[in-house]
Amino acid sequence: GAGVSQSPSNKVTEKGKDVELRCDPISGHTALYWYRQRLGQGLEFLIYFQGNSAPDKSGLPSDRFSAERTGESVSTLTIQRTQQEDSAVYLCASSLVGRFYGYTFGSGTRLTVV
Amino acid sequence: GQQLNQSPQSMFIQEGEDVSMNCTSSSIFNTWLWYKQEPGEGPVLLIALYKAGELTSNGRLTAQFGITRKDSFLNISASIPSDVGIYFCAAEEVEYGNKLVFGAGTILRVKS
Repeated sequence: GAGVSQSPSNKVTEKGKDVELRCDPISGHTALYWYRQRLGQGLEFLIYFQGNSAPDKSGLPSDRFSAERTGESVSTLTIQRTQQEDSAVYLCASSLVGRFYGYTFGSGTRLTVV
Repeated sequence: GQQLNQSPQSMFIQEGEDVSMNCTSSSIFNTWLWYKQEPGEGPVLLIALYKAGELTSNGRLTAQFGITRKDSFLNISASIPSDVGIYFCAAEEVEYGNKLVFGAGTILRVKS
């Protein structure tokens, strides 16, 4: 597609349940990123995939968070045993590698844990 | 990790006024970028700066990459109501190419 696509756009889940968030990057973008944005706050780095290299997981806040990426396409972010503090907008972005033109972001998934 | 200090945190200005916001850091960066985020959307790239000292304009927006590579500013001239949103600075880490660190954002409100 023309842009970065994220699904679902909204997700309400009960505390303790697992959730999966999906990101479809722009075709040809080898780098993919996940960020978390809590209400009224900035963007918090979670994880970074680039090509076939080992992902940079340094931003994942706990072992309840994990992410996968299939080749240079779709990525899923999984949060296990969700907690109320996981409520946030989860943003995915992709970029070309080489001369850096910045990221293109999706519209995000708003996760609410009740 | 590396941090960007963005200010002001928020601004409430009259339509037609000029706006200025900036980001500083104790670290040096390869690239500075400015994004705008509107409600319910992801951030959208406004301006990218690649060289120390570079001054770039995009319509009413002007941004500069500081000569020390540790700071950047964004100016918006003659603000209009659709300028409302959250503006983020971002910078590409030298050690980890293509990885961005973000400022906390400046909330801009425009009174017409």
